[in-house]
Amino acid sequence: KAGVTQTPRYLIKTRGQQVTLSCSPISGHRSVSWYQQTPGQGLQFLFEYFSETQRNKGNFPGRFSGRQFSNSRSEMNVSTLELGDSALYLCASSPGSGTGELFFGEGSRLTVL
Amino acid sequence: DQQVKQNSPSLSVQEGRISILNCDYTNSMFDYFLWYKKYPAEGPTFLISISSIKDKNEDGRFTVFLNKSAKHLSLHIVPSQPGDSAVYFCAASNSNTGNQFYFGTGTSLTVIP
Repeated sequence: KAGVTQTPRYLIKTRGQQVTLSCSPISGHRSVSWYQQTPGQGLQFLFEYFSETQRNKGNFPGRFSGRQFSNSRSEMNVSTLELGDSALYLCASSPGSGTGELFFGEGSRLTVL
Repeated sequence: DQQVKQNSPSLSVQEGRISILNCDYTNSMFDYFLWYKKYPAEGPTFLISISSIKDKNEDGRFTVFLNKSAKHLSLHIVPSQPGDSAVYFCAASNSNTGNQFYFGTGTSLTVIP
C-alpha cells in the first residue's frame, strides 16, 4: 500500500508570495491533517479535513487555508508569506476515526527568503 | 499555550539499557495518546498508542504508561538499541473531536553503542 505522498519536497519562496502544497493520503483514508514543524516548537496542528469538510482548525492566521477533494487528496495554501512561515509542513492521513494513528508523509520543506 | 510538554530535550542511554521518555499534558479532556519517532528528513513514524481506559500498553520493546491523575505518560524502550536514536514525540487528543492532535516538542534520544 502506498504511503502518504507530499509534493513538492522542497521549495523556496520570497516574502509576500503564496505557496500551495499537495498531499495524497493512503488509499481509503478519508481524514487528512496538516501540521507545521519549526525548531523548538514541535508539531503545530493547522487543520484537518474529513470527507471534503474542515473538521478541525488550529490557531493559525487566515493566511493558512486548505481544502480536500473528493478523492481525499488535500492541498494547503499559504498566502502573503512571511519569514516565520519557513518550516517543515507535514501531512498525515488516517482512516477517519478519532482513535487511530496518523500516517505521516515526509513533508514539504518551505524556506521563505 | 503548550498543552503537551516534553521537558527533556535530549536523553543519552547505553545500548541494552532502558530508555524512559516522559510527557506531561494539561488538558483533562485528552483521552488518546500516541508516540512517534522521527529521523531527520523523514516524516514521523507511529510507535505505540494508549487510550485513557488503559494505564499500560505494550508492543515488543516499547511500553507506554499512562497516569491520568498526574496527567503524565512515559515511553519505555527495553532494551535500547543504536537504531532507536531519533527524536521522539508524544501527542494527545480528545477522540471525540477527530484527529486534532497536540504534540510535544520532542526528546532527542541517543543510544550509545
